[in-house]
Amino acid sequence: SQQGEEDPQALSIQEGENATMNCSYKTSINNLQWYRQNSGRGLVHLILIRSNEREKHSGRLRVTLDTSKKSSSLLITASRAADTASYFCATASRETSGSRLTFGEGTQLTVNP
Amino acid sequence: EAQVTQNPRYLITVTGKKLTVTCSQNMNHEYMSWYRQDPGLGLRQIYYSMNVEVTDKGDVPEGYKVSRKEKRNFPLILESPSPNQTSLYFCASSPIIGLAGGPYEQYFGPGTRLTVT
Repeated sequence: SQQGEEDPQALSIQEGENATMNCSYKTSINNLQWYRQNSGRGLVHLILIRSNEREKHSGRLRVTLDTSKKSSSLLITASRAADTASYFCATASRETSGSRLTFGEGTQLTVNP
Repeated sequence: EAQVTQNPRYLITVTGKKLTVTCSQNMNHEYMSWYRQDPGLGLRQIYYSMNVEVTDKGDVPEGYKVSRKEKRNFPLILESPSPNQTSLYFCASSPIIGLAGGPYEQYFGPGTRLTVT
């Protein structure tokens, strides 16, 4: 079954606007991570939030985690055209003893100049 | 420069012809993993390795083999490729910190686009 599921599948906004992507998962986790992928390229790690953390910031990125709802959100503030990419959440399931990372299907973000 | 390298980057082959995709990392990471990426399915883990000589199956291991004889290398072997293995493949590595709480930040290679005809 799909562990991490992003919502929406696609998002189109104007430069300067904020972009919010959501991720839901099914099992208990050690941590949740967000990655970015430019078309056809390798994924780049953005931010990791541990299961005992509720919010984390990195530059224009803000990630929240609600373990009671098994969900996370990624907020990109003041978006730029260069933020156009696919964004994936990935969960490190506690049930696999820290050995497995499961990715969702991703959100395609388009930032129009 | 810290990096994960994969070779080849592009490969077109025929059904049944054995192939190996190499993966190497220079960060002394214990954890290495292979993923395949298909449209609409995201990334799915094929195999992973927690250390030298320690490998285990991911979500989609059928038709693949791996080995971890050295810490830096983690080759992916397709003994008899089939068209349904046409995909974009990524190798990744990460450190292991402590006994639990991971896996942690993955460093990805640039990808290998494989076409099996």
